[in-house]
Amino acid sequence: AQSVTQLGSHVSVSEGALVLLRCNYSSSVPPYLFWYVQYPNQGLQLLLKYTTGATLVKGINGFEAEFKKSETSFHLTKPSAHMSDAAEYFCAVSDGSGTYKYIFGTGTRLKVLA
Amino acid sequence: DVKVTQSSRYLVKRTGEKVFLECVQDMDHENMFWYRQDPGLGLRLIYFSYDVKMKEKGDIPEGYSVSREKKERFSLILESASTNQTSMYLCASSATSGRVAGELFFGEGSRLTVL
Repeated sequence: AQSVTQLGSHVSVSEGALVLLRCNYSSSVPPYLFWYVQYPNQGLQLLLKYTTGATLVKGINGFEAEFKKSETSFHLTKPSAHMSDAAEYFCAVSDGSGTYKYIFGTGTRLKVLA
Repeated sequence: DVKVTQSSRYLVKRTGEKVFLECVQDMDHENMFWYRQDPGLGLRLIYFSYDVKMKEKGDIPEGYSVSREKKERFSLILESASTNQTSMYLCASSATSGRVAGELFFGEGSRLTVL
């Protein structure tokens, strides 16, 4: 069975500092991996995704993530945090089995300090 | 602009009431999903549908049912609302493209309070 673990339910960074949000997954088949962001009182929107090919994936708003199969990780990074990055971030995995079921992590709330 | 629209952003219902949550997407997507979001628990799948009139149970289907009579519309029904169904409900849709998982497009959510 697939699972997703996000380390740290709350992360605080200073404005301009590196953002690192951690995601580890377990999957018995090659996974498809996603990061979504949720701003207050809104639905989720896609930041980036990995399906096949290049393991470093670039997304919107300056975020990127690297798929590391040996570490079963898909950590999200941004070199310099902006106040507008304050939101909740969700990592998700799909097994691509055709059922199109997605397993979500429990989320990490990012706070950006001025 | 592609869109998933949920009919109600906020609802307050009484215990035992029947509740309908409606979701419409304008992207001609085959797949539609209903999730429940609770603090500390992330998103949990209630039901999903990969075609008209087709549905599959997710991880927490108890107390819920769904209806998909048209491709663009996916309804979540709480037959008899209970206080433990107070939550944020998120509808999403995705396209089918071979075996590649398409991204999910989400609505803005429906926050349900059951008193």
